[in-house]
Amino acid sequence: ETGVTQSPTHLIKTRGQQVTLRCSSQSGHNTVSWYQQALGQGPQFIFQYYREEENGRGNFPPRFSGLQFPNYSSELNVNALELDDSALYLCASSLYGPGYTFGSGTRLTVV
Amino acid sequence: AQSVTQPDIHITVSEGASLELRCNYSYGATPYLFWYVQSPGQGLQLLLKYFSGDTLVQGIKGFEAEFKRSQSSFNLRKPSVHWSDAAEYFCAVGVLPPRDAGGTSYGKLTFGQGTILTVHP
Repeated sequence: ETGVTQSPTHLIKTRGQQVTLRCSSQSGHNTVSWYQQALGQGPQFIFQYYREEENGRGNFPPRFSGLQFPNYSSELNVNALELDDSALYLCASSLYGPGYTFGSGTRLTVV
Repeated sequence: AQSVTQPDIHITVSEGASLELRCNYSYGATPYLFWYVQSPGQGLQLLLKYFSGDTLVQGIKGFEAEFKRSQSSFNLRKPSVHWSDAAEYFCAVGVLPPRDAGGTSYGKLTFGQGTILTVHP
């Protein structure tokens, strides 16, 4: 059974740029959730995708968007990057529910 | 809306000592509760989860947690801590949607702020 894999592991971007983070879900899982974890904080729910449609969203602005593909892999896109977007971005997949299997995350630094 | 409070930001114990990490939640219905562990720079690993049934839940690595509805708590325990247990621990409450014909599967985890565990030799 494969786990959840995320790429890249680390990324440095400049304020105002756009970034795409990728996630490969655990085999058989049709639901993917994305979380943002700022330094010293617990993860915060960004949104969830189920069968390729956004299926719930946290308190994040529209410049955070996502996609889920037919093979259930997923992307998180962030436009117009701000310094406060610097964080660990975690992807979690599940077959049903809020997501139990997390990836190791992508560390995004905005300078 | 649900919320989770972990009152202890940092706990230090000696190797071999017992451990209890506190978690209090706020949620209007029967909660689904989780404990995750995170090593520095890593993702989250699920230690255990409570959905229903027996209020004492056994997890991996020798951890257990007890759901106490009257106290809105889900404290994590381990009888004897090992140096490798040093990490950050997160309690979370989950919203699970009902299984319906529409097949929607919206659900999210709300996490506490975390408790950093340091283990002295």
